[in-house]
Parts: sequence; structure tokens; C-alpha cells
Amino acid sequence: SQQGEEDPQALSIQEGENATMNCSYKTSINNLQWYRQNSGRGLVHLILIRSNEREKHSGRLRVTLDTSKKSSSLLITASRAADTASYFCATSRDTDKLIFGTGTRLQVFP
Amino acid sequence: DAGVIQSPRHEVTEMGQEVTLRCKPISGHNSLFWYRQTMMRGLELLIYFNNNVPIDDSGMPEDRFSAKMPNASFSTLKIQPSEPRDSAVYFCASTQGRDEQFFGPGTRLTVL
Repeated sequence: SQQGEEDPQALSIQEGENATMNCSYKTSINNLQWYRQNSGRGLVHLILIRSNEREKHSGRLRVTLDTSKKSSSLLITASRAADTASYFCATSRDTDKLIFGTGTRLQVFP
Repeated sequence: DAGVIQSPRHEVTEMGQEVTLRCKPISGHNSLFWYRQTMMRGLELLIYFNNNVPIDDSGMPEDRFSAKMPNASFSTLKIQPSEPRDSAVYFCASTQGRDEQFFGPGTRLTVL
């Protein structure tokens, strides 16, 4: 069963706008990761946030984690057409195993 | 490093045939994962290995599916006999530790 549920399922924005995706999960975690998947390709790791962290930045990406609400958000600022992809959150507990969410399909129009 | 290598990239077969998917993880990684992705079920973990030993195969759908990792640089996922509902994209991923997983390009399997 999938651990994470993502919201929204699909998101369409214009270039330059910000995109926010949310992830909710069910059990306690060690860390939460975000991945991107371009159509027809494998997943690519974007950023990892540990359970004792609340916010993390990487370039145009900002991730927050609220363990009390069991939720995370991924913000992409100043979006570009090349950001068009599906975005997945994934959680891990005390093993190497990752449980992936359902994904958000992001479309950025030029 | 070439990254995770999977073969074949595409496989079309007929129902009842045996299918073997192959994966070469990144050198030095000690964990290997097999996932299946479909529109209906999303991304599912089938099985994962640590130091060539299967750790969790709870995601393997049924006895028709089997996976092996005879050494640190090679793994196979076999489906025998294949069925149309096995049609999906199968990904292999590897990692060192419990952080970032590196995914291969996937094998798109179509069972007619």
C-alpha cells in the first residue's frame, strides 16, 4: 500500500509562477524525499529532508516537513517549462525501503 | 559512472512466455530495488536486496514473479508465465545507505 498521498494530482501553471505540491503520509518516518520523473524516464532524486528538520532549500526548491501533521510540501519557485514532470514524495522508516506517493503531474506552459 | 543499467528497454511478449529483466546497479551500492509502475497502481516496490540478500519481497505479486541477485553487480527479475496484467514499466534502483536512490531508465513490458 502507498504511504504517501499527494495533492494536487495535477497542476498547470505559467512559466515564472511558483508551484506548490503537498504530500501526506501515515506513519512515523526517518526521512522524506522528493523525486522527479520526466515522461518515459526513471525517477531522479531532488531533495531529502530528515525527520528532525523543518525546512530545506536546494536551488529553486524549498521543502518543508511537519511531522505533527505528517505532511510535507515542495515549492518550486520561478518555474520553467523544463520543470514539467511528475513529482513524487517518498518516505522511509528504519530500513532502506522507500514508500512512494501517488505523484503530482506538473505542467508548466511557456 | 554509467548509472543503473537496465535491459532490455522494451519487451513485447505473448501471454505465457517467460520474461527476464536485467539490472546492473551502480558500483559500490549495497542495496538494490525492483519497482513496478502502472497508471492504476502507481509505483510499487516489488522486492529489495541488501548485500545481495533479499530483505523484503512482500511486494512480489505472486509465485510467477521471482528475483535473484547472484552478485553485487547483477540482478534479474523473472516472470513465468507472463500475463497481460503484468504489462508495466519495471524500474531497478540502487543505493548506498538509506538516502538517495538512483533509478535506471526502466523496462517497458507489454504482454499481449
